[in-house]
Amino acid sequence: QVQLVESGGGVVQPGRSLRLSCAASGFIFTSYAMHWVRQAPGKGLEWVAVISYDGSNEYYADSVKGRFTISRDDSKNTLYLQMNSLRAEDTAVYSCASGSSPRGGYFNFWGQGTLVTVSS
Amino acid sequence: EIVMTQSPATLSVSPGERATLSCRASQSVSSNLAWYQQKPGQAPRLLIYGASTRATSIPARFSGSGSGTEFTLTISSLQSEDFAVYYCQQYNNWPPWTFGQGTKVEIK
Repeated sequence: QVQLVESGGGVVQPGRSLRLSCAASGFIFTSYAMHWVRQAPGKGLEWVAVISYDGSNEYYADSVKGRFTISRDDSKNTLYLQMNSLRAEDTAVYSCASGSSPRGGYFNFWGQGTLVTVSS
Repeated sequence: EIVMTQSPATLSVSPGERATLSCRASQSVSSNLAWYQQKPGQAPRLLIYGASTRATSIPARFSGSGSGTEFTLTISSLQSEDFAVYYCQQYNNWPPWTFGQGTKVEIK
């Protein structure tokens, strides 16, 4: 069955960096876009970033553009999110999700998420 | 950016009753609308895509309808496991992919 397992969250000071990982299994990773979505405590879902099936296209939410970078390593079936210049408002559970198509689509499967807390 | 608006924010329903959730898009998203269910402490789960197609393993009591800017998720007879937060999402005009703010279905 499909599994998406995130890791790399933790407590980090404002302005610092963190890299999240998402290990995927149970589907053909190289055929689908992959997304990051976040959920601040007690709040709704916010799309963060997407990378196309072949890594040729990336898109970001305005709130993270220029600070976050999404990437994928198809040899490891792993998705990454490099987060720089972190702010308090980036505090959230970050989840990866598989897209239903090579470049986007709806979100077929979701991981449980990893908590990122930005605090001094 | 397309803004998705869900109503009501909270819906109080008795088990066995019907629940109707609404989602409105600020401009047409055709039928590129998905619904997700999220229970406390769990990841969201895809329920409906294409506005009306149930995802794999989703019970028939869940149905979706609508197109353009007005959409509805109906749960025909609420079971105890259906009390959760439900989100709609458009995937027609991206980026960004946008979600509604959610409707919490609670036990009456």
